[in-house]
Amino acid sequence: QQQVKQSPQSLIVQKGGISIINCAYENTAFDYFPWYQQFPGKGPALLIAIRPDVSEKKEGRFTISFNKSAKQFSLHIMDSQPGDSATYFCAASMSNTGNQFYFGTGTSLTVIP
Amino acid sequence: NAGVTQTPKFRVLKTGQSMTLLCAQDMNHEYMYWYRQDPGMGLRLIHYSVGEGTTAKGEVPDGYNVSRLKKQNFLLGLESAAPSQTSVYFCASSSPGQFVYGYTFGSGTRLTVV
Repeated sequence: QQQVKQSPQSLIVQKGGISIINCAYENTAFDYFPWYQQFPGKGPALLIAIRPDVSEKKEGRFTISFNKSAKQFSLHIMDSQPGDSATYFCAASMSNTGNQFYFGTGTSLTVIP
Repeated sequence: NAGVTQTPKFRVLKTGQSMTLLCAQDMNHEYMYWYRQDPGMGLRLIHYSVGEGTTAKGEVPDGYNVSRLKKQNFLLGLESAAPSQTSVYFCASSSPGQFVYGYTFGSGTRLTVV
């Protein structure tokens, strides 16, 4: 059973556009929600993360929006660039379980010039 | 460079063969993990360790064994490989005092079982 559900599976965006990836979870014990970025042939790398006590976190062109009551969170990439083309994974974790993360199924983002 | 190193990077096995994947980290992290990545399935946790000499099962542990004899190393073993174990395997590490930094992942091992 997938603990974290991610959509869409793939996304194509024009350069300069906004990319939006959505995730949903059921377990209210999750208290940490990171996003990872993975380029082909590489391991995932932490992009940005949020805790449920805030509704939004922004780092440069990347923003996480968090809706605790709906148990949903999303990644917004503003002014998308071809270099952003990668696979993005959302994840969730409970801080008292050995930092064990549950990952979404991934979104393949392609930004076309 | 500091980080997580996985060996080998590629391997082809015949059904029934055994092998060990090695993960080494030089960041003095307490926690280490083995994930497998399959198309449309995301990353699924196989086994993890919260310290030297300790291991625990993740979501998909069947067919795998692990050992953490030294803090810096985490070994993943396949005793009798099956085609269903064809996947990309990632090792990761983290520290309980650096939770917000998430995982540091290795670059992966692509395993094909024929």
